[in-house]
Amino acid sequence: GAGVSQSPRYKVAKRGQDVALRCDPISGHVSLFWYQQALGQGPEFLTYFQNEAQLDKSGLPSDRFFAERPEGSVSTLKIQRTQQEDSAVYLCASSLAPGDLYEQYFGPGTRLTVT
Amino acid sequence: AQKVTQAQTEISVVEKEDVTLDCVYETRDTTYYLFWYKQPPSGELVFLIRRNSFDEQNEISGRYSWNFQKSTSSFNFTITASQVVDSAVYFCATHQGAQKLVFGQGTRLTINP
Repeated sequence: GAGVSQSPRYKVAKRGQDVALRCDPISGHVSLFWYQQALGQGPEFLTYFQNEAQLDKSGLPSDRFFAERPEGSVSTLKIQRTQQEDSAVYLCASSLAPGDLYEQYFGPGTRLTVT
Repeated sequence: AQKVTQAQTEISVVEKEDVTLDCVYETRDTTYYLFWYKQPPSGELVFLIRRNSFDEQNEISGRYSWNFQKSTSSFNFTITASQVVDSAVYFCATHQGAQKLVFGQGTRLTINP
């Protein structure tokens, strides 16, 4: 099945390390989203791409967080100088088209633990 | 700003019981969408339903039903004859702007055999 895939599924980083989280959306999906889900909480929006354009990054918590989608398909979320408060599950979602709130399909997430 | 409140943090019932998950939302939009997602232990959020604020008819899909009450800003979800496989965390959501989903804190549902 060609769902949204994310890698790695689990990542342990020492405080201060940089990490890169990858998302492969469903083929042909124009929109791509990143969410952060802290333990016991609902997902919180981080950023949104329409094709390669990052149209909304209002949810990125600090300038240590950076996301890109250079060719309009695969996306990478990078966190520099990780801190303990960055520990969370990072979810990626894609949807077929922009606007009209099409159904967002979510990947399994990457669980980041910062020690 | 938009907000979703799921007051029930955890619910535990015995298999075959009916269970209702509550959701109250706040939005400034006159037209809007509401959603329910299921998150099983595997972690992947599974879409269950999208409801347009124009449509206040209740919806039923198999054992699942949704009660949308605009007057009380609620969008409750009922599972009839619950099964162990229904055990998961359930999230209610609305949106901010055209794309950003705003989730509640979730309700952890445990169905005991």
